[in-house]
Amino acid sequence: NAGVTQTPKFQVLKTGQSMTLQCAQDMNHNSMYWYRQDPGMGLRLIYYSASEGTTDKGEVPNGYNVSRLNKREFSLRLESAAPSQTSVYFCASLQTSVLYNEQFFGPGTRLTVL
Amino acid sequence: DQQVKQNSPSLSVQEGRISILNCDYTNSMFDYFLWYKKYPAEGPTFLISISSIKDKNEDGRFTVFLNKSAKHLSLHIVPSQPGDSAVYFCAASAEFYKYIFGTGTRLKVLA
Repeated sequence: NAGVTQTPKFQVLKTGQSMTLQCAQDMNHNSMYWYRQDPGMGLRLIYYSASEGTTDKGEVPNGYNVSRLNKREFSLRLESAAPSQTSVYFCASLQTSVLYNEQFFGPGTRLTVL
Repeated sequence: DQQVKQNSPSLSVQEGRISILNCDYTNSMFDYFLWYKKYPAEGPTFLISISSIKDKNEDGRFTVFLNKSAKHLSLHIVPSQPGDSAVYFCAASAEFYKYIFGTGTRLKVLA
């Protein structure tokens, strides 16, 4: 089991460029998430997908789009990157059980926008 | 508006002593709370959770306490170990799928 994988690990973009961050999970989880982490701001929810075929906005969705391609994959797209989108991006998937719910996180993508 | 707040950005504790990390929330609809630990250059990993129907949950050295009237939860680590040095995030949920995180507290356990 690879868990949650993210590509790329690092990326440098120029202002105005576009790119897609890829995320995949092999745990058969229904729900998936995109967060960004900034110093002093913690983890902020960008978008989430409660199940295949659905997506919803989180706390900071502006400037981003998402696609839930299938149950395994959830991608995050920056159409026109801005320096304010310099951040570390984490993808997560949700395991639910009778006892507790737990999000599993990927290793992150460090994005710099110049 | 920050719905989940961790007002202490950092905390230092001697090895073997108790570490207490605090978290406050403003949304009275939150009914499920979690703590995550994060090491540098890694994603957060789940530690422990608590439902709003409980006021305490224990798992080994980790105990989470929930005070609903004060909208406050805390994570106790006893005894603290150097490997516990990390950033700790609390998170809360009002809707089943949507989790809101706090800003994090960096814990340093001194040997």
